[in-house]
Amino acid sequence: DQQVKQNSPSLSVQEGRISILNCDYTNSMFDYFLWYKKYPAEGPTFLISISSIKDKNEDGRFTVFLNKSAKHLSLHIVPSQPGDSAVYFCAARVNDYKLSFGAGTTVTVRA
Amino acid sequence: ETGVTQTPRHLVMGMTNKKSLKCEQHLGHNAMYWYKQSAKKPLELMFVYNFKEQTENNSVPSRFSPECPNSSHLFLHLHTLQPEDSALYLCASRSGYSPLHFGNGTRLTVT
Repeated sequence: DQQVKQNSPSLSVQEGRISILNCDYTNSMFDYFLWYKKYPAEGPTFLISISSIKDKNEDGRFTVFLNKSAKHLSLHIVPSQPGDSAVYFCAARVNDYKLSFGAGTTVTVRA
Repeated sequence: ETGVTQTPRHLVMGMTNKKSLKCEQHLGHNAMYWYKQSAKKPLELMFVYNFKEQTENNSVPSRFSPECPNSSHLFLHLHTLQPEDSALYLCASRSGYSPLHFGNGTRLTVT
């Protein structure tokens, strides 16, 4: 039973443009959401997070938006850079319990 | 240097072999995790250890046997694996409410 879904397996974007990654979830009890970034041959690294009491969190070029009524999470990267090419995982948890991950979205930033 | 070191990086083993994966964290964390990542699938939690005690076994087959001798070291002992067990095995650690900090993984191929 996959509680976190990333329905777009891949995304291609031109350098300098905005990348928008989407994530949907089914468990309304999730209270904390995270995005991880993974390069080939490396483990995932934490990127940005948001608590369910907020609807937006920003960190430099990265902004995460949370729409609780729609059970939808998105990550915006602007402007996109070649170094942003990676796999991005959405994750969520309840009360600091185990994380549920999505299957990932592969982002390719074209020069 | 990720702070979480996994060895070996690559492992090829036959179905009758016995091998072990090793994870060491240098971050002073008190919880350690094993995750499995199969191609195009979400990360699957396998085991969780808090202060050396196993607190989560996510219905993992007994051919996978974890060991946590101290808060800095975690092993995954493998025996009589199946080809479908081929995957990337990721170790992670954390303390408190911090995000998971992952190692670079062991790419396992079962022949």
